[in-house]
Amino acid sequence: DVKVTQSSRYLVKRTGEKVFLECVQDMDHENMFWYRQDPGLGLRLIYFSYDVKMKEKGDIPEGYSVSREKKERFSLILESASTNQTSMYLCASSYSGTGVGNQPQHFGDGTRLSIL
Amino acid sequence: DAKTTQPNSMESNEEEPVHLPCNHSTISGTDYIHWYRQLPSQGPEYVIHGLTSNVNNRMASLAIAEDRKSSTLILHRATLRDAAVYYCILRDRSSGNTGKLIFGQGTTLQVKP
Repeated sequence: DVKVTQSSRYLVKRTGEKVFLECVQDMDHENMFWYRQDPGLGLRLIYFSYDVKMKEKGDIPEGYSVSREKKERFSLILESASTNQTSMYLCASSYSGTGVGNQPQHFGDGTRLSIL
Repeated sequence: DAKTTQPNSMESNEEEPVHLPCNHSTISGTDYIHWYRQLPSQGPEYVIHGLTSNVNNRMASLAIAEDRKSSTLILHRATLRDAAVYYCILRDRSSGNTGKLIFGQGTTLQVKP
């Protein structure tokens, strides 16, 4: 089975801190994604990466950056944490294969981040 | 992206089959139909997907209408662990190549012992 592992289930940080969220997948997937999930807003894509050192902005990239130095690892960075970044953060990965429409995404269990 | 419509909630008894409907009347020819579920305090979990033909896997079956304007996720014997929010999502290979998933409100399935 595919395994996507997020480094922390729960995290509490202070306003202004630089925060790192780590995600590792073990299936040699090309694509990796970071979403945030908020009540009533569903999942929103922050960034995605389709290859090592490649990244693309999603729908809400402001205040975030990402790093993908190795194929299996995709990091989300909150440059200067703010209270409106309190959320559930979800990492996902998928194979490129025959087109994105035909490939399932596999999610980690999420990191519930609180910014005080 | 084409939209989907699902009932807000459904109930089932344990060990009975469950049929979760999804309407997608504006589906295009290149849209795949995907189903995910999300258990409390967990990330979404891929369940099944298909294009035109019915699909089966170890978790569920997907029945797709002949005109593809609707589909049904079938859980053959519901267990308490199947209580979750189920999302029906259309994925077009031309979605800007982002591959992002757009989750609607989904159907909250309650399973009674």
